[in-house]
Amino acid sequence: GEKVEQHESTLSVREGDSAVINCTYTDTASSYFPWYKQEAGKSLHFVIDIRSNVDRKQSQRLTVLLDKKAKRFSLHITATQPEDSAIYFCAASHTGNYKYVFGAGTRLKVIA
Amino acid sequence: ETAVFQTPNYHVTQVGNEVSFNCKQTLGHDTMYWYKQDSKKLLKIMFSYNNKQLIVNETVPRRFSPQSSDKAHLNLRIKSVEPEDSAVYLCASGSGNTLYFGEGSRLIVV
Repeated sequence: GEKVEQHESTLSVREGDSAVINCTYTDTASSYFPWYKQEAGKSLHFVIDIRSNVDRKQSQRLTVLLDKKAKRFSLHITATQPEDSAIYFCAASHTGNYKYVFGAGTRLKVIA
Repeated sequence: ETAVFQTPNYHVTQVGNEVSFNCKQTLGHDTMYWYKQDSKKLLKIMFSYNNKQLIVNETVPRRFSPQSSDKAHLNLRIKSVEPEDSAVYLCASGSGNTLYFGEGSRLIVV
């Protein structure tokens, strides 16, 4: 079955700097890659996603890159702010498949 | 804005007791899920229902059973809890590929 690996368990950046979180997956049939954010003591919230028909998607300060050959995708956050501090989870699934496999999470700390 | 509601938020119980968690979504989605998040924050899917039909049933102990009365409700019953069941149970509903999560139900088994 699919395995999603999140390479950084923790990441600290200074406010205003960029942060990059990397994930790899194993199933070549995976075609949908969302990112979720979990703030301390709260539940998960969707932040951005990318489908396999594109290799880049941007939404304000967030950009997701997808490299299907390497089976790798990454979340880039520019101009980080303290409120970006949270655990970020990547996930992979097949389009139309209800089963999402999550990575282990990356704890991002933005230091003021 | 919360649209996936879970009760209770927190429950402490003894080994061997029965526990039920309730989940309701007001988003009109056809698909609902139960995920388990352990103390290391690892997320594992347990069950998924589409319009009251079970469509994903991961390898979970038989003491776990989902129950759905309609597409807006998905409950989770644990018949005889074990210490390793201590976790946060997250309910979610889905439209297309995006999941919307509830605030979670934390279970502590003593």
